[in-house]
This record gives sequence, structure tokens and C-alpha cells, in this order.
Amino acid sequence: DAGVIQSPRHEVTEMGQEVTLRCKPISGHNSLFWYRQTMMRGLELLIYFNNNVPIDDSGMPEDRFSAKMPNASFSTLKIQPSEPRDSAVYFCASSRRDRDNQPQHFGDGTRLSIL
Amino acid sequence: QQPVQSPQAVILREGEDAVINCSSSKALYSVHWYRQKHGEAPVFLMILLKGGEQKGHEKISASFNEKKQQSSLYLTASQLSYSGTYFCGTSRHGSSNTGKLIFGQGTTLQVKP
Repeated sequence: DAGVIQSPRHEVTEMGQEVTLRCKPISGHNSLFWYRQTMMRGLELLIYFNNNVPIDDSGMPEDRFSAKMPNASFSTLKIQPSEPRDSAVYFCASSRRDRDNQPQHFGDGTRLSIL
Repeated sequence: QQPVQSPQAVILREGEDAVINCSSSKALYSVHWYRQKHGEAPVFLMILLKGGEQKGHEKISASFNEKKQQSSLYLTASQLSYSGTYFCGTSRHGSSNTGKLIFGQGTTLQVKP
């Protein structure tokens, strides 16, 4: 079975540019999570969706960040305008919700560098 | 509230044992354990759902003490492949079943030959 697919794997762009990260969850999974990982702050939950609906976006750093899930097989995380402090590895994860506490399956991540 | 993991880092020789702890100041419903190798994604190891529950995965097992609000991960007869950063992720008692996890800061384990 295909795992969680993220693109791009690496992104290098200049400050002020718009950045769009993409995620395709595992088929049949109806929860999707976006995380940011840095050395200083560890693995932070940014936002998560259940059945394509955003449930908790309290981890989104500021208005420059936005996330959408237009259908069950696709989600985007957008940063506009980007800043050097946004440099991090961004992970997408998905899980099932039909039973209690299903494991989360992580994509390979997008390594983002803002110059 | 972020769970606290201890130790922050540990170095072992192959064959030695290690214990990683994960503590929360809030009541817990479940604890998830993940391992992340350098430059890779976190990989799921196990979930503990009940207080006192113990689960095993090869030579890696874990316990969950609901009263103490903590979980421990046990690595016995460590292998080189066990090297990586271990994260616990916790979900709160009484929370709706949203699947939301709060991750600890991680414990880096290095196994040397």
C-alpha cells in the first residue's frame, strides 16, 4: 500500500515568496495532520482535519500560514509571505478514525529553507 | 501540555538495555511511541491504551501507568538499528476521540558496536 505522499521533498526559496506544500494521505484514512519539526521546538502540531474539516488550527503560527483539504485525498499547507524562521521540516500524517487511537502514519516530509 | 521525556540522550553498546520515560502533568488516555532516524519520518512503534498495559514489539516493549501519568519504553539487548530519536505522543483523558497527539521533545538513542 502507498504511504502518505508529500511534495516537494525539498524547497528552497527566497523570503517573501509563497510556498505551497502538498500531501496525499493514505487511502481510507480520514484524519490528516500537519506538523513542523525544528531542533529548537521539536515536533509541533500545526493543524489537523477530520473528514476534510479543520478541527484545530491553534498550532498555526500566524496568519501567514493556511491549510486546506478540498477532498479526502489531498491537502495543502501554504505560507505567504515566507520568512527565514519558517525554515523547518514539515510533515503530513494521516490516520483512521473508525477505532480509538489509531496510529498516525507520516509522510517523508518537506525540507523547507527560506533564504 | 507537552509531555516530558527522560533522558534527553543515551549512548549504549550493542546488547545493552535502555529505558525511556514519558511523563505528563495531565491525565492521559493513551500513549503512542514513535522512532525517527536521522533525515527520515517518524515511524510508529506501539500504542498503549489502558493503565498498566504493557505491549511488546520484538525486543522493544512499553508500559503505561495511568495513575502516575507516565509511560516507559524498554529496549532490551539493543541493536545498531535501534539508534534514532524516540518520541512519545500523548492524548488526553476526556478529550473527544480526535486522534490529536502532543509529542514530547524526544530522546536520542545511539547504539555503538
